[in-house]
Amino acid sequence: EAGVAQSPRYKIIEKRQSVAFWCNPISGHATLYWYQQILGQGPKLLIQFQNNGVVDDSQLPKDRFSAERLKGVDSTLKIQPAKLEDSAVYLCASSGTGFLNEKLFFGSGTQLSVL
Amino acid sequence: AQKVTQAQTEISVVEKEDVTLDCVYETRDTTYYLFWYKQPPSGELVFLIRRNSFDEQNEISGRYSWNFQKSTSSFNFTITASQVVDSAVYFCALLTGYSTLTFGKGTMLLVSP
Repeated sequence: EAGVAQSPRYKIIEKRQSVAFWCNPISGHATLYWYQQILGQGPKLLIQFQNNGVVDDSQLPKDRFSAERLKGVDSTLKIQPAKLEDSAVYLCASSGTGFLNEKLFFGSGTQLSVL
Repeated sequence: AQKVTQAQTEISVVEKEDVTLDCVYETRDTTYYLFWYKQPPSGELVFLIRRNSFDEQNEISGRYSWNFQKSTSSFNFTITASQVVDSAVYFCALLTGYSTLTFGKGTMLLVSP
């Protein structure tokens, strides 16, 4: 079974530029999550989708971050414009049914460096 | 508010030693779930275990064991006879009905040959 796919693996941009990350969850998984992991910290949820609807985006900085999940499969997370403090690893995760206590399957992440 | 504390930032052991990773949590909810995830150098977090607040039975899976004690709000993880492949960052996480999954800051385990 293929895991959660993310691209690119690494991205370096200058502040105020735009960047987009892509995620393809495990086939059939209804729930998709984007997490931000700053160096030395645990992952922090940015947004949760159930199929193509947003369940929780309370911690997403909506003035610069946006995310979509077209057709309830792939998802894209965008930052525009990027700030230095956005340097982090962006992890995508998926789960089968979206039950609160279900285990998550994570991708390897995209490491973003903002200079 | 929910909080997870992993006081050990980094632990170094020699292969075959036993090692315990500590996790202390805070929540006012009576129903909650605790998790451990492993993050190897490749980056993806790998699920290890889930425990609900009503089940205080300890669990053993091969060289891994978990000790859940509600009286001290702790959910500690022990690796017996550690191996180099156990080197990773380990995260404890808390989930309640009123919050998203809250991760601790992680403990980096380095197992040397």
